[in-house]
Amino acid sequence: QSALTQPASVSGSPGQSITISCTGTSSDVGSYNLLSWYQQYPGKAPKLLIYEVTKRPSGVSNRFSGSKSDNTASLTISGLQTEDEADYYCCSYAPSTVIWGFGGGTKVTVL
Amino acid sequence: EVQLVVSGGGAVQPGGSLRLSCAASGIKVSDYWMHWVRQVPGKGLVWVSRLNSERSTIQYADSVKGRFTISRDDAKNTVYLEMNSLRVEDTAVYYCTCNRFSSGWGFDYWGQGTLVTVSS
Repeated sequence: QSALTQPASVSGSPGQSITISCTGTSSDVGSYNLLSWYQQYPGKAPKLLIYEVTKRPSGVSNRFSGSKSDNTASLTISGLQTEDEADYYCCSYAPSTVIWGFGGGTKVTVL
Repeated sequence: EVQLVVSGGGAVQPGGSLRLSCAASGIKVSDYWMHWVRQVPGKGLVWVSRLNSERSTIQYADSVKGRFTISRDDAKNTVYLEMNSLRVEDTAVYYCTCNRFSSGWGFDYWGQGTLVTVSS
């Protein structure tokens, strides 16, 4: 059982915006801004998209943005492109437990 | 360019052992918290273990505690995962990754992964 809850799949048409949710608890997502998002293509290693809820590493497209409300974080992909078809994972770090927990992953399909 | 090269995977029988290696270039493993994350093919990511930069604390997921050991060789700039008493449910692709405070604890770099298959 994953520590964080994500929808199994989300789809959208090219150019649209989609949002992936990531629900945790008041002990992890709700208490700390240590939430990150990863993109993974089949057979490849994950890639960091967002860290500290809203920050993008250099080189990551500004079409990816993050937010958080209470115990739920969200990843929004705007101007959806075919290359965005991949699996997306959220990850939360809780300093109180020093444990990292991943969401179950969301498969994004571009229609 | 940063590279984490993972090796050591393979097929092993239940109860057997394997040692995975993660050789880093472009970074010093001693500057980062080093982690192992695994993924059953077709399933999600699962955090396994981490070693902090000071080498003062180590953490394991409950599922591997007492069976897996993470360590680091600074001279070789390499991190290891010693896996003993392997179980069928340990079958997965194992990734090496790293993070640090200055990057908000996001996992900055990832190795390519190595497949561990535990089967009789």
